[in-house]
Amino acid sequence: AQKITQTQPGMFVQEKEAVTLDCTYDTSDPSYGLFWYKQPSSGEMIFLIYQGSYDQQNATEGRYSLNFQKARKSANLVISASQLGDSAMYFCAMRITTGRRALTFGSGTRLQVQP
Amino acid sequence: KAGVTQTPRYLIKTRGQQVTLSCSPISGHRSVSWYQQTPGQGLQFLFEYFSETQRNKGNFPGRFSGRQFSNSRSEMNVSTLELGDSALYLCASSPLTSGGVYEQYFGPGTRLTVT
Repeated sequence: AQKITQTQPGMFVQEKEAVTLDCTYDTSDPSYGLFWYKQPSSGEMIFLIYQGSYDQQNATEGRYSLNFQKARKSANLVISASQLGDSAMYFCAMRITTGRRALTFGSGTRLQVQP
Repeated sequence: KAGVTQTPRYLIKTRGQQVTLSCSPISGHRSVSWYQQTPGQGLQFLFEYFSETQRNKGNFPGRFSGRQFSNSRSEMNVSTLELGDSALYLCASSPLTSGGVYEQYFGPGTRLTVT
């Protein structure tokens, strides 16, 4: 079974500063993918970034980067230069490539960006 | 390219009734997954369809069912509604064909309230 743990229920960050959202995972499957999604108050889940278990380099997408530490089973999201529009819930999720391929989500972190 | 669409966006039903939710995936995507999101349980996987076949199913009672049509559109049905079925139901489509791990793109969700 897979498990995602997000230990920060809520985070505050000042506008224009960087913030790291923590995510640890657990799986016995060697092939998996890690995802981060943003969910604004409107409810839609917005895909941010993806990291494959065999990828050698950390994924980056604009202001988002994923700090992937495979030995520690962590996949932290780093948002650089925070903007007010970044205020939302952020979910870390995992999907394995064999057998059941549903996304397993963490409990989420609510990020609030302050002016 | 149009995103994932879900209809209706909001729904109010009475206990004991049944409900059908619809999801149209991104053009070209053949995999559709459904998730239930509640404050207490978080995001939970319901089922995944690919080429009109259910590939995976989460741990939900048989009252929850789904299907996928030849054009990849999907519907989920909940019969004999219970108060606990009140939730945001999210549909996600993926370009997943076989193997690999591809990102899932979510729709805006259908918010179901059972009274």
